[in-house]
Amino acid sequence: SYELTQPPSVSVSPGLTASITCSGNKLGDKNVCWYQQRPGQSPVLVIYLSTKRPSGTPERLSGSNSGNTATLTISGTQAMDEADYYCQAWDSGTAVFGGGTRLTVL
Amino acid sequence: QVQLVQSGAEVKKPGASVKVSCKASGFTLTSYYIHWVRQAPGQGLEWMGGINPSGGSTAYTQKFQARVTLTRDTSTGTVDMKLSSLRSDDTAVYYCARENPGDGSPFDIWGQGTVVTVSS
Repeated sequence: SYELTQPPSVSVSPGLTASITCSGNKLGDKNVCWYQQRPGQSPVLVIYLSTKRPSGTPERLSGSNSGNTATLTISGTQAMDEADYYCQAWDSGTAVFGGGTRLTVL
Repeated sequence: QVQLVQSGAEVKKPGASVKVSCKASGFTLTSYYIHWVRQAPGQGLEWMGGINPSGGSTAYTQKFQARVTLTRDTSTGTVDMKLSSLRSDDTAVYYCARENPGDGSPFDIWGQGTVVTVSS
């Protein structure tokens, strides 16, 4: 079965840039979504089609996808960005999630 | 307001079944696939399966194929998820989510989650 791999945790200082990676076999050939989940809340879609932001997603969040790795980049990180982030892709009609990355804003 | 509203928390004994409901509000249920995703305590998101409310066709991940049933009632705009033969490791928050067709089919709307506790 298809697998997506994320680092368990990423730390960043306020105002700096955080990058969260998601790796999978030929992931660049797939569309990747990213979800933000704050403690005690439901996930929220923040990136779709690998690079597009839904209305409501701050411009400081951006996505890229090439080769075997998709990346969620958060520029000028703010305290409100502290959350768990999950990547997701479709493989043979099955939705696959990465294990999630906890972003800590120090 | 476009939203998915789920039924309330459940406590079940091992071996029992649980049904969680998900009601669509602000959009036409039959225009979107609805999926179920669960999250065990302290763990990540796990896709269970989805249903096409228009025709009723379903797709399940192999892990849950034998124990999960998704149904829909188009008259009430509701999708139900039934999980049978419950075990303690089924304790989790269960979410329904709307798949937006096209645009890579993201889950663009999520329910508030339903806590299911399995305990003797």
